[in-house]
Amino acid sequence: AQSVSQHNHHVILSEAASLELGCNYSYGGTVNLFWYVQYPGQHLQLLLKYFSGDPLVKGIKGFEAEFIKSKFSFNLRKPSVQWSDTAEYFCAVNARGYQKVTFGTGTKLQVIP
Amino acid sequence: DAGVIQSPRHEVTEMGQEVTLRCKPISGHNSLFWYRQTMMRGLELLIYFNNNVPIDDSGMPEDRFSAKMPNASFSTLKIQPSEPRDSAVYFCASSFARGPEETQYFGPGTRLLVL
Repeated sequence: AQSVSQHNHHVILSEAASLELGCNYSYGGTVNLFWYVQYPGQHLQLLLKYFSGDPLVKGIKGFEAEFIKSKFSFNLRKPSVQWSDTAEYFCAVNARGYQKVTFGTGTKLQVIP
Repeated sequence: DAGVIQSPRHEVTEMGQEVTLRCKPISGHNSLFWYRQTMMRGLELLIYFNNNVPIDDSGMPEDRFSAKMPNASFSTLKIQPSEPRDSAVYFCASSFARGPEETQYFGPGTRLLVL
């Protein structure tokens, strides 16, 4: 079974700072990878996804993520965060061909104006 | 297009009462997932359906929990009897399973408080 690790549980940044949230997974086969965002009191929304092809994936709101297969990583980045990016971010993975998605424990991002 | 619809959005009940949570998936989607989110355990998959058939219910905590999907546009998650430790946010998600590439879309959730 696959697992997902998000090492940063809580990140505090000032506006305009650059963001990188780590995500590592453990699974030996081919995977689909996702980042979801959950704003306070709201549901999970898809930020971006990787299925195949270009390992650098661009999502909504200026976010991007890079799949590095050799490192089993799918880190989320944003060059300049805004106060409105304050939310919890979840990395998720599923083995291709299987529907069950495993979510990481989430990283709470707080952006200070 | 309407997203995943869940009702009620908030539910407060007393221990021992029956609770029914409802979900309407995105039209055209053929898979439906029920998750529970708590501070302690994060996001847990409870059960999922394909074409209205339960595929994996290994995440259902115990016999007090049951889920049904009588048709492609409706699912329920029932807790009977409810206990305080069932307090959580319950999310429903749906997807269109058509091969190895599939994305789940989440509903707004039901915030359940059992007193």
